[in-house]
Amino acid sequence: DAGVTQSPTHLIKTRGQQVTLRCSPISGHKSVSWYQQVLGQGPQFIFQYYEKEERGRGNFPDRFSARQFPNYSSELNVNALLLGDSALYLCASSLSQGAPNTGELFFGEGSRLTVL
Amino acid sequence: AQSVTQLDSQVPVFEEAPVELRCNYSSSVSVYLFWYVQYPNQGLQLLLKYLSGSTLVKGINGFEAEFNKSQTSFHLRKPSVHISDTAEYFCAAPRNTGRRALTFGSGTRLQVQP
Repeated sequence: DAGVTQSPTHLIKTRGQQVTLRCSPISGHKSVSWYQQVLGQGPQFIFQYYEKEERGRGNFPDRFSARQFPNYSSELNVNALLLGDSALYLCASSLSQGAPNTGELFFGEGSRLTVL
Repeated sequence: AQSVTQLDSQVPVFEEAPVELRCNYSSSVSVYLFWYVQYPNQGLQLLLKYLSGSTLVKGINGFEAEFNKSQTSFHLRKPSVHISDTAEYFCAAPRNTGRRALTFGSGTRLQVQP
């Protein structure tokens, strides 16, 4: 069975541009979460979506947005990119919206964004 | 809200030696704690979790962790490491009740040397 898949794996943007990252969850998983991992730090929570609705949001500016589609895949959008947005963006899927509380998150390999 | 602190950013160790990676937590409510591993160029994988019950938790790849309420610690241990254990290890806990997201420590890089 396929795990969580993310695309693209690497991308380079310049300041002020916009980026869209994509995630396909494990088959049967209805919840998708996004995390940002800056080099040398632990992942930071950005969003959780469940059944196409936003169920949680971390401390990120409005430049960050996301959505979930009927097939449970998800996109993360970041507008007006800053140098500090350079990071590994991780998508994680889970069976239920409460699953993260019990650690049952399945992570993709991430999309590495470099902002120049 | 729960928070977790990993006390060591890097831990070098020789192959077949024992290792302990330290994690302390703060919490005033129920405690769920996790250890995740991140191999180079990969996503995170759950190693083990403590939800309730026995304070000694066994995980994959021979790792175990002990929940210590009096010391607010959840240290990860392995009696004999292999080169393949070289990775970044993260301690994590739920952000707070109802948020359904995890807060991670800053990570400990385990470097196993031959």
